Amino acid sequence: SQKIEQNSEALNIQEGKTATLTCNYTNYSPAYLQWYRQDPGRGPVFLLLIRENEKEKRKERLKVTFDTTLKQSLFHITASQPADSATYLCAPTDSWGKLQFGAGTQVVVTP
Amino acid sequence: EAGVVQSPRYKIIEKKQPVAFWCNPISGHNTLYWYLQNLGQGPELLIRYENEEAVDDSQLPKDRFSAERLKGVDSTLKIQPAELGDSAVYLCASSLGNRGLGELFFGEGSRLTVL
Repeated sequence: SQKIEQNSEALNIQEGKTATLTCNYTNYSPAYLQWYRQDPGRGPVFLLLIRENEKEKRKERLKVTFDTTLKQSLFHITASQPADSATYLCAPTDSWGKLQFGAGTQVVVTP
Repeated sequence: EAGVVQSPRYKIIEKKQPVAFWCNPISGHNTLYWYLQNLGQGPELLIRYENEEAVDDSQLPKDRFSAERLKGVDSTLKIQPAELGDSAVYLCASSLGNRGLGELFFGEGSRLTVL
């Protein structure tokens, strides 16, 4: 069965450092992969989408890589700020647009 | 432009009672999704609509859950009767489908507590 794994433990990081989150998937060949941010008590918010033929995508302080050989995506937050504290969800997506979400990784940025 | 609107935000009921959630998607979004999210988990798809047609309801527990999207705009998700294990957040999302990049826009969710 399809499986998506994200770091289950919270990532505690000091302000200004780079946070790196991992998303691994098995038994799945997504056409693209999405990353969402979720704050407590709120719905997820779309951040970035990367296609299978793209190696890297950037948006402001965010960077996403996608390695279809390793079946892995890495999500980086550079120059992290306390406002970046949230849970980050990865969502591999098939060619029909069907997403499957990982459980998410909580990021805590301390001043 | 208004985002995805859900109501109610919170609902507390006793087991075996019915409950309904309502969702109004972003105007022009033909694809609508209902997700269930348990604490510490990612959202899990219950049903996906393309306009008024349910194109993926394989994960919807049809013995007690039902959904409708009349006229292809707003949607209602119903649980009858509710069980203790149904306590969760029910999220609605919409997208442009094939006309967009694929990203989903979520509402704030409806938190259900079954006592």
